[in-house]
Amino acid sequence: DQQVKQNSPSLSVQEGRISILNCDYTNSMFDYFLWYKKYPAEGPTFLISISSIKDKNEDGRFTVFLNKSAKHLSLHIVPSQPGDSAVYFCAASASNFGNEKLTFGTGTRLTIIP
Amino acid sequence: DAGVTQSPTHLIKTRGQQVTLRCSPKSGHDTVSWYQQALGQGPQFIFQYYEEEERQRGNFPDRFSGHQFPNYSSELNVNALLLGDSALYLCASSVGAIMSEKLFFGSGTQLSVL
Repeated sequence: DQQVKQNSPSLSVQEGRISILNCDYTNSMFDYFLWYKKYPAEGPTFLISISSIKDKNEDGRFTVFLNKSAKHLSLHIVPSQPGDSAVYFCAASASNFGNEKLTFGTGTRLTIIP
Repeated sequence: DAGVTQSPTHLIKTRGQQVTLRCSPKSGHDTVSWYQQALGQGPQFIFQYYEEEERQRGNFPDRFSGHQFPNYSSELNVNALLLGDSALYLCASSVGAIMSEKLFFGSGTQLSVL
């Protein structure tokens, strides 16, 4: 049972344009969402997060949008840069004390075309 | 400041064997979580150790066990290896057992079971 889904395995975007990565979830108990970025031969690194009490969070070129009614979140990267080429994982947690494990999606490979 | 270090980086075993993977957390971190990432999948939570005790466990059989030492380093043991155990095993460390976004991942151990 895949509780966090990333339906696009890959995405190619021209440098300078906007990259939009999507993520859907099914578990209503999830109330904290994160995006991680992974380069080959490295572990995932934290990118940006959002709590369910918000619908938007920005950090520089990265913005995450959350639509709770649709159980959908998206990561916007603008402008896209070649260094953004990586695999992006959406993750979720039910942040009750003692239940901080992350449930990850299957990832989207983003390729930025120079 | 060393980040999360894992050893070995690669390992080849045969079915039925036992394996031990090791993890040293980032300096100042006291909590270690282990994740399994199969090919084409997102990381899946195995278990979390804090204060030398297993605090949470994912849907993994008892063949998967772990340990945390007084210096906060950790081991993951897998007994009676199956072909399906072939995966990248990621260790992540944090301060305390909360605050998912503060997870720092190592580069992983690639386990191949033949």
